[in-house]
Amino acid sequence: EAQVTQNPRYLITVTGKKLTVTCSQNMNHEYMSWYRQDPGLGLRQIYYSMNVEVTDKGDVPEGYKVSRKEKRNFPLILESPSPNQTSLYFCASSSNTETQYFGPGTRLLVL
Amino acid sequence: SQQGEEDPQALSIQEGENATMNCSYKTSINNLQWYRQNSGRGLVHLILIRSNEREKHSGRLRVTLDTSKKSSSLLITASRAADTASYFCALDNDYKLSFGAGTTVTVRA
Repeated sequence: EAQVTQNPRYLITVTGKKLTVTCSQNMNHEYMSWYRQDPGLGLRQIYYSMNVEVTDKGDVPEGYKVSRKEKRNFPLILESPSPNQTSLYFCASSSNTETQYFGPGTRLLVL
Repeated sequence: SQQGEEDPQALSIQEGENATMNCSYKTSINNLQWYRQNSGRGLVHLILIRSNEREKHSGRLRVTLDTSKKSSSLLITASRAADTASYFCALDNDYKLSFGAGTTVTVRA
């Protein structure tokens, strides 16, 4: 089944404790992207990747890192999480930007 | 990058009625997409309309695009309870996809 998976789905952590949210897709898509969703603000793009080893900043990249060492994986790294990074995070992939396939989301709470 | 602005923020309709929501934007785009999200789940792509198109249909969905007014509308005809969701427009400009805050649609039985 074609899908985008994210892990973990729920995470509670404390300020400053490094964490990684994994994202994997099995559709051989070149394009992958991370978004955060906050009430009233819609989805905002954090980082995107056009292909392996090619990443670029979205609208809200501060406090996040990504890597794209393999085509199928695009992990999101929070080196030193802060409470303002509490959010719902989505990973998405597509063969271009025209139809994005979204993962189920990761709810992060930073205390 | 610019975000689309959806209007209204929320919409409540009776089953069988039509639902219309609008999206406005400020600068030129390559295409505009509409997505649906059910209660905190991942978004699902509904339909894409290119900048040189004026109208597209997909099942009960009808999308229009007016590039002179920089606006788009999504019409859902003969709504069903399963259409209860949030709907987002997304602006595609050079590989960056920008979403609006969404319209929450509630379909009453």
